[in-house]
Amino acid sequence: KQEVTQIPAALSVPEGENLVLNCSFTDSAIYNLQWFRQDPGKGLTSLLLIQSSQREQTSGRLNASLDKSSGRSTLYIAASQPGDSATYLCAVRRSGAGSYQLTFGKGTKLSVIP
Amino acid sequence: GAGVSQTPSNKVTEKGKYVELRCDPISGHTALYWYRQSLGQGPEFLIYFQGTGAADDSGLPNDRFFAVRPEGSVSTLKIQRTERGDSAVYLCASSQTSGNYNEQFFGPGTRLTVL
Repeated sequence: KQEVTQIPAALSVPEGENLVLNCSFTDSAIYNLQWFRQDPGKGLTSLLLIQSSQREQTSGRLNASLDKSSGRSTLYIAASQPGDSATYLCAVRRSGAGSYQLTFGKGTKLSVIP
Repeated sequence: GAGVSQTPSNKVTEKGKYVELRCDPISGHTALYWYRQSLGQGPEFLIYFQGTGAADDSGLPNDRFFAVRPEGSVSTLKIQRTERGDSAVYLCASSQTSGNYNEQFFGPGTRLTVL
């Protein structure tokens, strides 16, 4: 059974710092990995999707990397801003027949202090 | 264009009652997913539709939960004899196809509270 772990559970940083969020998964047989942002009381906003054949994806100040063989992904946020404060979730889609569901971690709650 | 929409945004009900939660996927998306998110947890898969049929309902917790998608667009998640443990945020997502590399887009969720 796929398990996804995110460390740390919570992180507080001053505005302007660069930071890294970590995600690990137990089964490396995946099709892709998605990073999401969730604001309090809101749904999920997709940030980046990395296919299993890719090593990284970038969008603006965000960069996500994937090391499938070791079961790890990182989300790098450059020059953090107070508006980045949210919970960040990673999710993997395993490979294999009928494997359409995403398996999520519990998230990292990020607070960026002005 | 419009994203995934869900109604109601909040639902409060009493133990034992029946509830229906609605999801409108992105237009043209053939795949639709339901997830449930309990407080402090990541979302957990409930059921997946490809078109009108439920291709995978392995995440439904018991037979009190049922979902339909009669015309291959809007979906309704139905919960009978609600219990306090059903309280959670119910999230719906859609993707363009069920292809292996398709990105899932999520709605804002319905927060269900069972008193």
